[in-house]
Amino acid sequence: EPEVTQTPSHQVTQMGQEVILRCVPISNHLYFYWYRQILGQKVEFLVSFYNNEISEKSEIFDDQFSVERPDGSNFTLKIRSTKLEDSAMYFCASTGQGRANEKLFFGSGTQLSVL
Amino acid sequence: AQSVTQLGSHVSVSEGALVLLRCNYSSSVPPYLFWYVQYPNQGLQLLLKYTSAATLVKGINGFEAEFKKSETSFHLTKPSAHMSDAAEYFCAVGDTGRRALTFGSGTRLQVQP
Repeated sequence: EPEVTQTPSHQVTQMGQEVILRCVPISNHLYFYWYRQILGQKVEFLVSFYNNEISEKSEIFDDQFSVERPDGSNFTLKIRSTKLEDSAMYFCASTGQGRANEKLFFGSGTQLSVL
Repeated sequence: AQSVTQLGSHVSVSEGALVLLRCNYSSSVPPYLFWYVQYPNQGLQLLLKYTSAATLVKGINGFEAEFKKSETSFHLTKPSAHMSDAAEYFCAVGDTGRRALTFGSGTRLQVQP
């Protein structure tokens, strides 16, 4: 089965630093997502992206966050100035049609640790 | 607003025993319901989904779930647990108005030999 690839698997950064988390969605998919899971808490939706723009975002996704599809294959999440509370596992996902009942294909995640 | 409650953050069963993982949801519109599984060091994988067709949904690896509207539940079951079922299981709800899914907090299933 096709896979979503995320790099790096672990990222350690200092508070206040910028981080970029990278994802390569499935090649023929058009809709891209970021979710995160703080240790011991729920998986939370951050943002969805289609046709080079954000189609939906949660309250978590504030001005410190941004997403980009810089080329035809990568999808990135940038956190401009990291906070301790940004420490979490970040999951990228993609779908082909963007329908609400469609299967999400998830990557294996990037564990972000902010010190 | 949607929400998902998974009762029991940890469930332990013996190999060969029935697996029952509970999920209750709230949604103001007809929901789509999902169960995802996460094995160690892997991403979430879809086990099964309910999308308003049959109320009893069969998924991969022998799992099934029943949508009960009157109880707002979508519990996941498997008649006989296998060691390879040890993982974390997430229930999620979506609807036609949004692409975002709302997840529960997950249930870690442990299978004892």
